[in-house]
Amino acid sequence: EAGVTQFPSHSVIEKGQTVTLRCDPISGHDNLYWYRRVMGKEIKFLLHFVKESKQDESGMPNNRFLAERTGGTYSTLKVQPAELEDSGVYFCASSQVGTTYEQYFGPGTRLTVT
Amino acid sequence: KNEVEQSPQNLTAQEGEFITINCSYSVGISALHWLQQHPGGGIVSLFMLSSGKKKHGRLIATINIQEKHSSLHITASHPRDSAVYICAVSDSNFGNEKLTFGTGTRLTIIP
Repeated sequence: EAGVTQFPSHSVIEKGQTVTLRCDPISGHDNLYWYRRVMGKEIKFLLHFVKESKQDESGMPNNRFLAERTGGTYSTLKVQPAELEDSGVYFCASSQVGTTYEQYFGPGTRLTVT
Repeated sequence: KNEVEQSPQNLTAQEGEFITINCSYSVGISALHWLQQHPGGGIVSLFMLSSGKKKHGRLIATINIQEKHSSLHITASHPRDSAVYICAVSDSNFGNEKLTFGTGTRLTIIP
């Protein structure tokens, strides 16, 4: 069974540009989470999808961030326009819906905004 | 103050030593997770527990719900155990299992 995959693994962009990160969850996992770790800080929650619906987007830092999960499969996280403080590692995780299940993490996308 | 506190932040030990990493939390939880991240690697779930104790190989995780405290133990530590160990808690609202993370403990085992 394939694990959670993320693309790209690393992205370097200039301030003001747009970047789109992609996450493919484990097949059959309706829960999909985005998290982010900025330099020197703990990993923080961004948002949670159940299938294609946004269950909780309380962690999204501002309206420069847009997440979608069309069809309830893969998800994209777009940052437009990117700012320096957006640099960090973006993790995606997926899990089954129901009682508490462990989350399976992707390898992360390292975003560097210069 | 972070809702999830880990200690120590860094730990260096000799191969074979018994390792303990602590985690305290201040919110209601449905479960506590111990995660591992090797240098340059992804995040792997080691344990998910809501009570008592779990064991997997040389790793043992315990949780005390009343004291809001968990420990991760590694017996007979080995250099391949060198990694960042992260404690995280699941929100107590069923259906929203977002994780709140500690800052992690960087463990280095010297041969």
